[in-house]
Amino acid sequence: KAGVTQTPRYLIKTRGQQVTLSCSPISGHRSVSWYQQTPGQGLQFLFEYFSETQRNKGNFPGRFSGRQFSNSRSEMNVSTLELGDSALYLCASSYASGQGRHEQYFGPGTRLTVT
Amino acid sequence: DAKTTQPNSMESNEEEPVHLPCNHSTISGTDYIHWYRQLPSQGPEYVIHGLTSNVNNRMASLAIAEDRKSSTLILHRATLRDAAVYYCILRVGGSQGNLIFGKGTKLSVKP
Repeated sequence: KAGVTQTPRYLIKTRGQQVTLSCSPISGHRSVSWYQQTPGQGLQFLFEYFSETQRNKGNFPGRFSGRQFSNSRSEMNVSTLELGDSALYLCASSYASGQGRHEQYFGPGTRLTVT
Repeated sequence: DAKTTQPNSMESNEEEPVHLPCNHSTISGTDYIHWYRQLPSQGPEYVIHGLTSNVNNRMASLAIAEDRKSSTLILHRATLRDAAVYYCILRVGGSQGNLIFGKGTKLSVKP
């Protein structure tokens, strides 16, 4: 079974621009979660989507948004990029949602650099 | 906020067992203990999880103290590929299942 894939793997953007990242979960998985990883803050939860609905959200500003399609693929969008948005963005998929999400399978991440 | 305490780093010799400790003194009865690891330049990888009883899988064993205030991840024979940051995560019962990562333990394996 193919793992979680994320595209692109690397991205360089300028302050003020917006960016869209994509995640394809493992086949059969309907839950997709997004995390941000930075050296200072570590890994932080952004949001989770299940069956095209946002189930819960972390403590990030509204510039961070996402969506999920009927095939469970998910996209994450960051508008009005700031230097502090430079990070590794990780997507994780799981079969179940909420409390049932014991095993989350992570992709390799998208490295975003904002200049 | 993360509710676990782990050593910042540990060293092990190849082919020897490794015991990675984790303290979670504020754990409540419905909180699950999860372990993930992150190899260099990769996303985190699920290792194991448990609630009350010790757990074994093909990757590792999880030993949970009787009072559940601490746990130990056991790698039975460390290999060079086990060098990673190991995260002990307390998943709060009744929550939405989000993982709250702490700083983890960086495990180095010497040949």
